[in-house]
Amino acid sequence: KNEVEQSPQNLTAQEGEFITINCSYSVGISALHWLQQHPGGGIVSLFMLSSGKKKHGRLIATINIQEKHSSLHITASHPRDSAVYICAVLLNTGNQFYFGTGTSLTVIP
Amino acid sequence: DAGVTQSPTHLIKTRGQHVTLRCSPISGHKSVSWYQQVLGQGPQFIFQYYEKEERGRGNFPDRFSARQFPNYSSELNVNALLLGDSALYLCASSLDVVEETQYFGPGTRLLVL
Repeated sequence: KNEVEQSPQNLTAQEGEFITINCSYSVGISALHWLQQHPGGGIVSLFMLSSGKKKHGRLIATINIQEKHSSLHITASHPRDSAVYICAVLLNTGNQFYFGTGTSLTVIP
Repeated sequence: DAGVTQSPTHLIKTRGQHVTLRCSPISGHKSVSWYQQVLGQGPQFIFQYYEKEERGRGNFPDRFSARQFPNYSSELNVNALLLGDSALYLCASSLDVVEETQYFGPGTRLLVL
């Protein structure tokens, strides 16, 4: 069983649609990261959350610590948003990350 | 400012050989973490180093080892390579150990034949 589960695994959307990617975890954490990985492997950190909600441009990330769940939302999606989105949690021991397997997003023009 | 850099970008080895991968963190960052990403899967945590000391270790065999140098750069060593070690090896740096945003390098793609 994975400590971090993401859904959906694959997602195809039309340009302009509102997108939600979900992450659930089963361990005690001190922080959760949302990462974006483009073809070829480059990873960019989008958000780091320990509570509440963060917004950056068209991206919004929320976390509910009690329910052990986080969501990443993309408003007005664009083809350049096509990438794999990965949820990663930092254990509350502070020294180990667990990663989800990622959600592959394709936005069609 | 330069981001996290890794070398080499690509590497081909045969079973039984050893390999050394290198990572230079962002200037001022004292923590370096190593991850293995097998094709089609999410990254798996291997090691975290802070101030030249190992602060975290994932579920990898003893064939995997790492170290961090006084300038905070790091090496990941893998001995007795297996076919299953073929993966993208990612390095990430952060200012500190706990609850810090990690900045990822481009990775080293290792192929074991």
